[in-house]
Amino acid sequence: DTEVTQTPKHLVMGMTNKKSLKCEQHMGHRAMYWYKQKAKKPPELMFVYSYEKLSINESVPSRFSPECPNSSLLNLHLHALQPEDSALYLCASSQDAVGREAKNIQYFGAGTRLSVL
Amino acid sequence: GDSVTQMEGPVTLSEEAFLTINCTYTATGYPSLFWYVQYPGEGLQLLLKATKADDKGSNKGFEATYRKETTSFHLEKGSVQVSDSAVYFCALISGGSNYKLTFGKGTLLTVNP
Repeated sequence: DTEVTQTPKHLVMGMTNKKSLKCEQHMGHRAMYWYKQKAKKPPELMFVYSYEKLSINESVPSRFSPECPNSSLLNLHLHALQPEDSALYLCASSQDAVGREAKNIQYFGAGTRLSVL
Repeated sequence: GDSVTQMEGPVTLSEEAFLTINCTYTATGYPSLFWYVQYPGEGLQLLLKATKADDKGSNKGFEATYRKETTSFHLEKGSVQVSDSAVYFCALISGGSNYKLTFGKGTLLTVNP
C-alpha cells in the first residue's frame, strides 16, 4: 500500500480566511513533503519534514505554515493568502529523506485544489 | 546543479501506436531516476524507477532504462491506449540533495481512439 491521503480535495477561501490542508500516510514513512503545482508546470518543493522536524523550507512566505503533529500526519496552515497562491497543493512521503535507492522514493497524494478569491 | 530535460509536447498518438518520450539529465553523483504520471485532475503517481546504471524500470507496459553513458532515461510503450492520456514527468534525486526531486517540465500525451 503506497497511499497518501489528502483532505479536502477542493478548497475555496477568501484572502482574510484561515484554513488548513491535511495529509496522512500509514506506510511508516519518516519524511513528508509539501509541494505547490501551478497549471502546466511541474511541482515545486515547499517544505520537507524528516522525523517530524522541519528540515527544509524553500523560502516559502510565512502565510504558509507547516505542522507535523506526528509521524503520520502533515498539515499546512493557510492565512492571508493571495490570489496567486491558487494552485494544486501536493503532499508526498518517503521512507526517509536521505540515502539512496528505495528510501528516498516519494509517493504523492491526489492533492488539494485551492482557489483564493 | 541538477537538471532534467524532457521532450516538450504535446504528443498526440493514435491508439496502439508506439510511444517514446525522451529524457536526459545532468546530476551530481549517481542519481535515482523516476517517471511520474499525472492523469487529468489528479496527483502524481510513480510510474517506474531505476536506481543504478543499466537498471530497467517497468510498469503497466511502460519501460525505461537508466543509461549512464548517455545520461538518459527515455520512456517507451509498445502500444498506447486512450487511458494512457496524461502528463508524464521525468525526475531525479541525486546524491547532492537526497530529498529534492528535480522534475522535467512534463510532456502531455493525448491518445486518440
